[in-house]
Amino acid sequence: QVQLVQSGAEVKKPGSSVKVSCKASGGTFSSYAISWVRQAPGQGLEWVGGIIPIYGSAKYAQKFQGRVTITTDESTSAAYMELSSLRFEDTAVYYCARATGASFDWLSHWGQGTLVTVSS
Amino acid sequence: QSVLTQPPSVSGAPGQSISISCTGSSSNIGAGYDVHWYQQLPGTAPKLLIYGNNKRPSGVPDRFSAFKSGTSASLDITGLQAEDEADYYCQSFDSSLTVYVVFGGGTKLTVL
Repeated sequence: QVQLVQSGAEVKKPGSSVKVSCKASGGTFSSYAISWVRQAPGQGLEWVGGIIPIYGSAKYAQKFQGRVTITTDESTSAAYMELSSLRFEDTAVYYCARATGASFDWLSHWGQGTLVTVSS
Repeated sequence: QSVLTQPPSVSGAPGQSISISCTGSSSNIGAGYDVHWYQQLPGTAPKLLIYGNNKRPSGVPDRFSAFKSGTSASLDITGLQAEDEADYYCQSFDSSLTVYVVFGGGTKLTVL
């Protein structure tokens, strides 16, 4: 059974960085695309970026280009999302989600979410 | 503003049927990319409801169905139940390369 377990809530100052982890269990980690999706308070879902471990290179939404870095560690079946130059409007729940194949298709499994609060 | 357009809210009484629309463009739904749907209950992570335009994952009741045509898609729920009250999101792929995965803005379903 596939499970994605994310790291705990973070409170960060504007201008700083945050790194959220997502540890996967069940299935072959490198074969599936991982996406990061965020949800600001009371708002909808927004794709931040994703990575297909077997191919290595990450893809990012243009809105976050230059501020976000998504990586994986296949030895621990973990994915990471680092967002830098944090702004108040980056306050959101960040989800990792796994596709059913090596493409950015439907997201069949989701982590529990990590609340990132940007506050001075 | 979301790339895919959904109505902000819909409502229906128990036992009734509702439909939620999802409108895209020639770079996503209209380009032939599949549409997927998620259900998000309050305070929880989204859950896959429909994939590949009209397929239900194991465990999703057949009261949920979906359809895609042209640049739009729709999610239909029949025999509304109180536990269906949630937010619903459509999702597709976008070839514009500014964003690969696009979501609708979400629709809040209220069961009256």
